Amino acid sequence: DTEVTQTPKHLVMGMTNKKSLKCEQHMGHRAMYWYKQKAKKPPELMFVYSYEKLSINESVPSRFSPECPNSSLLNLHLHALQPEDSALYLCASSQGQGNNSPLHFGNGTRLTVT
Amino acid sequence: DQQVKQNSPSLSVQEGRISILNCDYTNSMFDYFLWYKKYPAEGPTFLISISSIKDKNEDGRFTVFLNKSAKHLSLHIVPSQPGDSAVYFCAASPAGGTSYGKLTFGQGTILTVHP
Repeated sequence: DTEVTQTPKHLVMGMTNKKSLKCEQHMGHRAMYWYKQKAKKPPELMFVYSYEKLSINESVPSRFSPECPNSSLLNLHLHALQPEDSALYLCASSQGQGNNSPLHFGNGTRLTVT
Repeated sequence: DQQVKQNSPSLSVQEGRISILNCDYTNSMFDYFLWYKKYPAEGPTFLISISSIKDKNEDGRFTVFLNKSAKHLSLHIVPSQPGDSAVYFCAASPAGGTSYGKLTFGQGTILTVHP
């Protein structure tokens, strides 16, 4: 069982919808991440939060809006997505800044934009 | 520009034998390397890592070797088991810790272990 929990597991949304992906970890990790993975491709970094502050945005379009309400939670708000945004969205966490520590991934949300 | 490359898309091995998965990188700033295993419909699962100050790290059936001069690392699985069948991703991070977020993944290698 993964220690990073993502909800929902699957999401189908229209291009005019607004939805949110949620991620939770209780390992005391202080860095949290959003990755996007397309079929047969490796995960690609979208955002990094370190100590609840956004530290990296990999030039992600503004239709994706991350939020870190507290050290255990990470959200990704979606609005006006395009069909090409359909992918597996992975959340991950790791120990705080300055450590070489592995990222622990959730099982992802499979997003389909129609 | 692929900074982390796994040149073998797939590997097939007999149960009980050794599986060797390879990974090459181009960025000399990478100093922390990881291997992940991924089953369908699940997120990547961390397997083993190695820092650039070491050339070998072992954990049970899994051993990672790092050759910095060749910018090459490999994952050895001995003995291989059918449950090891999955996609294996190599990943690398520059100095400063993975929390800086620059974890770059290879394209993955599909390992199939036959009974």
